[in-house]
Amino acid sequence: EVQLVESGGGLVQSGGSLRLSCTASGFTFSNYGMVWVRQAPGKGLEWVSFISAGGGTSNFADSVKGRFTISRDNSKNTMSLQMNSLRVEDTAVYYCAKNYNGLSSWGLGTLVTVSS
Amino acid sequence: QSALTQPASVSGSPGQSLTISCTGTSSDVGGYNYVSWYQLHPGKAPKLMIYDVNQRPSGVSDRFSGSKSGNTASLTISGLQAEDEVDYYCCSYAGSNTFVFGSGTKVTVL
Repeated sequence: EVQLVESGGGLVQSGGSLRLSCTASGFTFSNYGMVWVRQAPGKGLEWVSFISAGGGTSNFADSVKGRFTISRDNSKNTMSLQMNSLRVEDTAVYYCAKNYNGLSSWGLGTLVTVSS
Repeated sequence: QSALTQPASVSGSPGQSLTISCTGTSSDVGGYNYVSWYQLHPGKAPKLMIYDVNQRPSGVSDRFSGSKSGNTASLTISGLQAEDEVDYYCCSYAGSNTFVFGSGTKVTVL
């Protein structure tokens, strides 16, 4: 069974940094691209970032470009999202998802709260 | 990277069919056959309902179907049931390994 578990969320002040992790199991992690998606309180889903299966290709939403970086360690079945220069508007539940035939599997998310 | 346009809410009676639209541009919905739909239950992981415009993952009820015409994709729920009363989001590939989600639609079963 595919499982994705996000961790690393918490409360941080504006301008601060946080590193989220996504731990995968139940599938060959190194074969699939992965994404981060977020949902701010009372708002809709927003795609944040993509990383290719091998980690060599990535991209970001304009709203986070230059502040967030994405990486993966296929030997540990983990993906990370390094979030710097955090803003109040980055407050959201962050989900990781497997990119195969749509976003076929998702975790339960981790809450990031950025205070002013 | 503007959000795709979905109606804020749609409603129908049990047993009826309803359709949720998802309007983008030629750079996303119209340019690729990579539109997917997700069901969001509060406190649960989002669930993939349709991928590649009209493909249904195994385990998803055949009451759910997808289509696309030009820059607008659609999700149709037939035989509406009380359990269908949640939020739905479309998502499209937008080129260069980027994606864009719709604004979300709340389905109400009357």
